[in-house]
Amino acid sequence: KQEVTQIPAALSVPEGENLVLNCSFTDSAIYNLQWFRQDPGKGLTSLLLIQSSQREQTSGRLNASLDKSSGRSTLYIAASQPGDSATYLCAQGNTGFQKLVFGTGTRLLVSP
Amino acid sequence: EPEVTQTPSHQVTQMGQEVILRCVPISNHLYFYWYRQILGQKVEFLVSFYNNEISEKSEIFDDQFSVERPDGSNFTLKIRSTKLEDSAMYFCANRAGPTQYFGPGTRLTVL
Repeated sequence: KQEVTQIPAALSVPEGENLVLNCSFTDSAIYNLQWFRQDPGKGLTSLLLIQSSQREQTSGRLNASLDKSSGRSTLYIAASQPGDSATYLCAQGNTGFQKLVFGTGTRLLVSP
Repeated sequence: EPEVTQTPSHQVTQMGQEVILRCVPISNHLYFYWYRQILGQKVEFLVSFYNNEISEKSEIFDDQFSVERPDGSNFTLKIRSTKLEDSAMYFCANRAGPTQYFGPGTRLTVL
C-alpha cells in the first residue's frame, strides 16, 4: 500500500531560522510531488510541484528537492517568518489520472 | 493563482439525509477530483473525473457517493444517505497541467 510520511510532525522555530521539512514515499511509480500549505480550517494552497524528471524547484524563499531513488523529498524554507506558520503537506502524484496521496503533514510554528 | 470555489462553506445535516456539495472549477481545467479530510487526519482521495466519467475511485467512494457535472461547468459530489462518519472537510480539486488546485473546502457536519 502506498504510504507518504512526513517528519517531524511539529516544529517550532524562532523567526529568521532556515528549516527543512521531510517527506518520504514508498511507491516508485511517482509522477510528481506537490507541496501544499494549509492554514487552520482552510483549504490547501499549492506551493511547489516537482516532476519525477526534476531534482528541485524554487519559489522565493522555498526550495523543494526530490530524490526518487531514496523515496524522499525535502522542503527548505529560508529565513522563516511568523507568517510561515501553518501545516505543510506533501503529496505524491502517480501516473495515470494523478490522484494525490498525502502525508500527515508538519505543523510549523515560527515565533517572533 | 487560479481559483476553485466551493459551496456551501459549511453544511450541517441529519444522519440519513442527502447532501450535495458543489464546486466551480477553473475554466478549461478538465480533470476533477474530490478529497476529504476527517478532523486531525490525512487528506484522502475519493474520486477523479475526466471527460464526463469517473476515471478512478477509492474504497471510500461506495454506492452512497456520486459525482456529476450537471450543467457542464459545476462539479458536484452527492452523498445519498449521510452517516456520522461522513463528517469531514471535503475538497474539490482541478487541474489542466500537473498542478492540482484546491478549493477552500466544505465542512460537512452530520448529526
